Amino acid sequence: NAGVTQTPKFRVLKTGQSMTLLCAQDMNHEYMYWYRQDPGMGLRLIHYSVGEGTTAKGEVPDGYNVSRLKKQNFLLGLESAAPSQTSVYFCASSRTGGLGNNEQFFGPGTRLTVL
Amino acid sequence: AQKITQTQPGMFVQEKEAVTLDCTYDTSDQSYGLFWYKQPSSGEMIFLIYQGSYDEQNATEGRYSLNFQKARKSANLVISASQLGDSAMYFCAMREYTGNQFYFGTGTSLTVIP
Repeated sequence: NAGVTQTPKFRVLKTGQSMTLLCAQDMNHEYMYWYRQDPGMGLRLIHYSVGEGTTAKGEVPDGYNVSRLKKQNFLLGLESAAPSQTSVYFCASSRTGGLGNNEQFFGPGTRLTVL
Repeated sequence: AQKITQTQPGMFVQEKEAVTLDCTYDTSDQSYGLFWYKQPSSGEMIFLIYQGSYDEQNATEGRYSLNFQKARKSANLVISASQLGDSAMYFCAMREYTGNQFYFGTGTSLTVIP
């Protein structure tokens, strides 16, 4: 099993350009998440999904959109990139959201630079 | 208010010694879970240990243990017999079961000195 994979690993954009980050998981997990990690800020939740066809806003959703058309995939879109969106983006998935150890499994991250 | 607070930006520990990384949390939920993750310099996030709010015993996983003090809302990670490979960022996280979000702290950078 590959676990959680992210595409691409690195990307440089110019201000105003758009792009889509792809996250895929092969663990049949219901829940998927997109985070951004900035120095000194820890991980902040952008959007998440509790199942195919569902999405919800996290802590910092502005400037991002997401889609979960298939259970195994969770896409993060930037419609008009800004330098403030320079960050490392992590995708994660978890089996469910109920009680118990529903740990998140993380992808390797995507380093995005917006010039 | 911060949901997760990690007050130690950086910590040093001598190899083979034990070290405690602090984490306090803020929630009004009765049901929640607490997690610790390790992020080495390579960047991946590695799950270490979990503690449920109803668990009476402190969680342990090998050299990792979680010192859970519910009344004080603290969930400190204890690493025993530190190894050079333990040098990394460590993040405390919480999930409230009334919602679906995970909340992460800002992390503690641990350096193990030979």
